[in-house]
Amino acid sequence: GQNIDQPTEMTATEGAIVQINCTYQTSGFNGLFWYQQHAGEAPTFLSYNVLDGLEEKGRFSSFLSRSKGYSYLLLKELQMKDSASYLCAVRLLNNAGNMLTFGGGTRLMVKP
Amino acid sequence: GAVVSQHPSWVICKSGTSVKIECRSLDFQATTMFWYRQFPKQSLMLMATSNEGSKATYEQGVEKDKFLINHASLTLSTLTVTSAHPEDSSFYICSAKRDDSYNEQFFGPGTRLTVL
Repeated sequence: GQNIDQPTEMTATEGAIVQINCTYQTSGFNGLFWYQQHAGEAPTFLSYNVLDGLEEKGRFSSFLSRSKGYSYLLLKELQMKDSASYLCAVRLLNNAGNMLTFGGGTRLMVKP
Repeated sequence: GAVVSQHPSWVICKSGTSVKIECRSLDFQATTMFWYRQFPKQSLMLMATSNEGSKATYEQGVEKDKFLINHASLTLSTLTVTSAHPEDSSFYICSAKRDDSYNEQFFGPGTRLTVL
């Protein structure tokens, strides 16, 4: 089966840096996505990695190591509005060619 | 941008009734759409993959006769929860994959279903 693990909750301070880890054991890996989801809302796309390395986009960066089955999302200069759930999702190859399997999500609380 | 809408945004119904949820890609074509369910404080669980012009592919444990999916056009997929029961109360989210893009799924705003 597919297995995607993330910490359930994390707490960080406004202005700080936080790293959210994601490990996966899947078959047919074809890319890893990070989504942000505020309570009661749909997920919004943050980043996509398919090759090893770091992808930087403003305050958010995402890293992938395919050999280790490991990714992290790095959030810098935390703001209160960053309090949300962060979902790691792995794309698998299937008939639709784009099926995502989600991890359990990490609830991040940013405190003043 | 790529916008996906869902209708209704919330619905309350009596046990035993059927509820239809629509998912539309407003400014792009989507041969493939996905339906997810999310219970409180849990992550998204894929229910089924909806393909225009063909039968949906259901994930293990999802009853296809209870959750009817129809993808009649390149911009519309519908999910009908038949004979709804209180345990079907959940947040239902659809996503659409652009036909001209490989990487990204665009999510709808979700539909909160409450079955009394």
